[in-house]
Amino acid sequence: GAVVSQHPSWVICKSGTSVKIECRSLDFQATTMFWYRQFPKQSLMLMATSNEGSKATYEQGVEKDKFLINHASLTLSTLTVTSAHPEDSSFYICSARVDKPGTQYFGPGTRLLVL
Amino acid sequence: GENVEQHPSTLSVQEGDSAVIKCTYSDSASNYFPWYKQELGKRPQLIIDIRSNVGEKKDQRIAVTLNKTAKHFSLHITETQPEDSAVYFCAARPNSSASKIIFGSGTRLSIRP
Repeated sequence: GAVVSQHPSWVICKSGTSVKIECRSLDFQATTMFWYRQFPKQSLMLMATSNEGSKATYEQGVEKDKFLINHASLTLSTLTVTSAHPEDSSFYICSARVDKPGTQYFGPGTRLLVL
Repeated sequence: GENVEQHPSTLSVQEGDSAVIKCTYSDSASNYFPWYKQELGKRPQLIIDIRSNVGEKKDQRIAVTLNKTAKHFSLHITETQPEDSAVYFCAARPNSSASKIIFGSGTRLSIRP
């Protein structure tokens, strides 16, 4: 089956620093990847759609200058949380879409704690 | 945009009994409806999906039904087992050109021994 990895699995950082999270599709190419945020006991909230070779499409209310997304290759998308603050602490999960039949497979998630 | 509602938010059933989770969607153009299972602290795992040209799909103890007219779909788990305990999310893909999916709010399923 399709495997998606994410790195790091958890990170603790000081307020004001930037954090980069990587999402990789290991055994397939993904022209489209997605970034979600999940707060405890809540659903997955789509932040943005990442398209290889083009700019990401952000959902309403998500600050594109704060959450920088780069999808430079067919197997790698990165999310950078810039100037992180405690309210950015959350579980960030990526998913990669298999073009046919369009199924999404999720990474294991990255738990971010901003002190 | 698409809106997906899911009920109930929590569900407790006796081991061996059946569990049913229901979802409704708002966009009649939605054509793909996956269901994900998420165990605590882990990634969502696709357990079954259904497309709009099919009314029902079954995979062992899991089945999904879709009513396009009413815009609702349901997950049925029969002969529940302790390992079925998890949070289940339904989702809908608004249309064939947009690849994103919109999730429901989730159902926490507990199986009582």
